[in-house]
Amino acid sequence: EVQLVESGGGLVQTGGSLKLACAASGFTFSGSAMHWVRQASGKGLEWVGRIRSKTNSYATTYAASVKGRFTVSRDDSKNTAYLQMNSLKTEDTAVYYCVRVTNEDAFDIWGQGTMVTVSS
Amino acid sequence: DIQMTQSPSSVSASVGDRVTITCRASQPISSWLAWYQQKPGKAPKLLIYAASSLQSGVPSRFSGSGSGTDFTLTISSLQPEDFATYYCQQANSFPITFGQGTRLEIK
Repeated sequence: EVQLVESGGGLVQTGGSLKLACAASGFTFSGSAMHWVRQASGKGLEWVGRIRSKTNSYATTYAASVKGRFTVSRDDSKNTAYLQMNSLKTEDTAVYYCVRVTNEDAFDIWGQGTMVTVSS
Repeated sequence: DIQMTQSPSSVSASVGDRVTITCRASQPISSWLAWYQQKPGKAPKLLIYAASSLQSGVPSRFSGSGSGTDFTLTISSLQPEDFATYYCQQANSFPITFGQGTRLEIK
C-alpha cells in the first residue's frame, strides 16, 4: 500500500524547535520529490517547502513565510523525509502534511497530518 | 506570487445537481492546475491534475477544464459523498499556491 505517515508533532513554545518525520512506503521514495503543506485550523492550504530527488541534487525550495527557519531534508536509506522547524511562531500552528508530487506537479499522496501547536 | 481565486466561496446544492466551481490565476499558468477535495478532519484528495486529467480512481462525474488563467471543476451529478471543500492549486511556479477553497454544502 502506498502511504505516508507523519510523526513528531506536538506543543512547543514560541522560539522553540520541532522536527517532523514522514515515513514513506509502497513506492520508490528515492525517485520522488517530497513536499510539506500545512493547514491552520479552519483555514486553507499553504505550501511550505519541498526537496527534490538525488538525481536533482536534493534541491530545496521554501515559502517566504518559513525561509531561513524551516529546513526540508531526506534520508533515502530510511524512506523518510523531514521538516526541521526552528524559531517557531504562533502563526506556524497548523496540521502539517507530507505529500508526494507527480510528474505533473500535483500532490497525489498525502499523509494523515501531524498537529503542531506553538504557544506563547 | 501567483494568486489563485476561487468562486464561489460556498455553494449549496442538492443530490443530482450539476455544480461548477471556478478558479482564476493572477497570471497565466498554462495547464499547471490541480483540484483537490477535502472532507473534515481528513487530508485532501487529488481529483484532477494538468487542468483536465482525471486522477485514477476518481469518479467520472468529476471533470476539469481551462488553461491560461481560467479553470473550472464540474461535478455532473452530485452524490452525497461529494459534499466537501474543494481547492485549486497552481504548479506553474514557486511558491506553489492554493485557492481559498469552495465549500459545497447540502441544500
